[in-house]
Amino acid sequence: DADVTQTPRNRITKTGKRIMLECSQTKGHDRMYWYRQDPGLGLRLIYYSFDVKDINKGEISDGYSVSRQAQAKFSLSLESAIPNQTALYFCATSAYGLAGEGETQYFGPGTRLLVL
Amino acid sequence: GEDVEQSLFLSVREGDSSVINCTYTDSSSTYLYWYKQEPGAGLQLLTYIFSNMDMKQDQRLTVLLNKKDKHLSLRIADTQTGDSAIYFCAERPNSGNTPLVFGKGTRLSVIA
Repeated sequence: DADVTQTPRNRITKTGKRIMLECSQTKGHDRMYWYRQDPGLGLRLIYYSFDVKDINKGEISDGYSVSRQAQAKFSLSLESAIPNQTALYFCATSAYGLAGEGETQYFGPGTRLLVL
Repeated sequence: GEDVEQSLFLSVREGDSSVINCTYTDSSSTYLYWYKQEPGAGLQLLTYIFSNMDMKQDQRLTVLLNKKDKHLSLRIADTQTGDSAIYFCAERPNSGNTPLVFGKGTRLSVIA
């Protein structure tokens, strides 16, 4: 079974709708991240959380919100989706202070979102 | 802030060596990483190098780190069509509570 899972894998929605993307991990990591990927722009960090009570904005947090429901779960919400939020979204995890690995991040398979 | 730069595209012939380059700005970075993203998939860790090393080899992969020039490279020997993917360079800043900083990725195309 995959260590980092994302649901749904694909989603089509309409402008103005609220949607939630979910991420779960079985790696026991304390840190979790949400990124979006657009062609030519690489990965851009949306939000990150270093533990259950910690939430931090990334470089492109406007229009998004997150919830860290438990150590293993981190969800991303688009309160009112717009077409330029069409992208591939990735969740990732890492463990602070893991000897020999630094802050290696482990990625989920991604959610492809289309906003019409 | 920290920045990581990579060229966007690289094309090589099957059997040749590929060299993907990356420059970074944080001279106190502790770890540097290479990730691979195959079509339709998430990023997978390929390898990483600690900042006190200048070379790391793992089968067909060789990572070279030049700390003076803040330059990282990934060499793939005997490149195969299965190596076609996007390769991301990333650095871990030394500030401790800052996430990894990723480059925009280099798309490697292998021509048969």
